Amino acid sequence: DAKTTQPPSMDCAEGRAANLPCNHSTISGNEYVYWYRQIHSQGPQYIIHGLKNNETNEMASLIITEDRKSSTLILPHATLRDTAVYYCIVSSGSARQLTFGSGTQLTVLP
Amino acid sequence: GAVVSQHPSRVICKSGTSVKIECRSLDFQATTMFWYRQFPKQSLMLMATSNEGSKATYEQGVEKDKFLINHASLTLSTLTVTSAHPEDSSFYICSATPEDRVYEQFFGPGTRLTVL
Repeated sequence: DAKTTQPPSMDCAEGRAANLPCNHSTISGNEYVYWYRQIHSQGPQYIIHGLKNNETNEMASLIITEDRKSSTLILPHATLRDTAVYYCIVSSGSARQLTFGSGTQLTVLP
Repeated sequence: GAVVSQHPSRVICKSGTSVKIECRSLDFQATTMFWYRQFPKQSLMLMATSNEGSKATYEQGVEKDKFLINHASLTLSTLTVTSAHPEDSSFYICSATPEDRVYEQFFGPGTRLTVL
């Protein structure tokens, strides 16, 4: 599976959009981009995934560049409860094989 | 839907004892479950893939005789840490994927193991 690169930490003001970048320049054609998050001392939580097209659900939006070498997770209106480590993962096919990197610690500030 | 539970949530044991951790899929069946370990301030590391009715598949560097995995039913997998030592103290997390939602992996709340 392709390797991902994320900034180690980011801050965001409460109520503002949080934009979390991820680089995956070696992604191959059949690999999906997944985003999970982990609130302190809890199990990770699925957020969203995509292949080529931008995706949106009730939690977030995923913007994938046309060359698929990078993506951005957008939390439209961040709340304090969105403070967590966000993991960008690239994996082929289903979610059965996930390799977690170091992620981005997002801190939402009041 | 798609809830995964773990028991216990926290356990403290003496060095040399064995500890069993249960992982249950509460509202779906899972032919495959995964066990991860997470040390403080580190990311999750996959330990093994638990397959219902067959032997688990262990990641490189994980001792299969020390971390016994049993997946006896479609809703239950257990991880037994045998002869635990302080270096086994960690956060153990399981996960599973419903057959009809293969793009989502659902994680349990984790078990904090402390070996004295």
